[in-house]
Amino acid sequence: AQSVAQPEDQVNVAEGNPLTVKCTYSVSGNPYLFWYVQYPNRGLQFLLKYITGDNLVKGSYGFEAEFNKSQTSFHLKKPSALVSDSALYFCAVRDGTGAGSYQLTFGKGTKLSVIP
Amino acid sequence: DSGVTQTPKHLITATGQRVTLRCSPRSGDLSVYWYQQSLDQGLQFLIQYYNGEERAKGNILERFSAQQFPDLHSELNLSSLELGDSALYFCASSVAGVSNEQFFGPGTRLTVL
Repeated sequence: AQSVAQPEDQVNVAEGNPLTVKCTYSVSGNPYLFWYVQYPNRGLQFLLKYITGDNLVKGSYGFEAEFNKSQTSFHLKKPSALVSDSALYFCAVRDGTGAGSYQLTFGKGTKLSVIP
Repeated sequence: DSGVTQTPKHLITATGQRVTLRCSPRSGDLSVYWYQQSLDQGLQFLIQYYNGEERAKGNILERFSAQQFPDLHSELNLSSLELGDSALYFCASSVAGVSNEQFFGPGTRLTVL
């Protein structure tokens, strides 16, 4: 079974400061990891993914994420937060060795508030 | 805009009723996934179809069913509705391949009164 934990329900950060949204995962095979963002009354938008290779993954809107295999973590980061980054962020995992089923398991989400 | 469309945007109905939610995947995507988002359960995977065939089932109730048609659009049927079925229902699509991201539609908000 695969699972994702986002330990913080809410993260507050001042505009211009760096932000981190935490995610840890559990999967039996190779982890394929994803970050999505959800704005109010909208669907989820894909931000970035880790499949293999470089542990630092760059994505949309200046976001990046660091894969750490030993800590089973995939934290989302941004060097300088914008007020427009305020949204709900979801981490998701898929077992890369699963046969046929490509379902994503999502964390409960972290609400990011960027304070002007 | 992800390219995934869902209709209707909002649906209000009564307990015991049946509704159908519709999804059109991105052009070229063969896989369709259905998810339910509620405050208490979060985002839950319901079911996946690939090129017309059911591929995986998640936490889908027996009262719920889905299908994917030859033109690749998909429908999620919810019957004998209960108050607890009120939620946002998302459809997502992807190209084949385990490493590919899913693209989500805007969702259908179902309210059961």
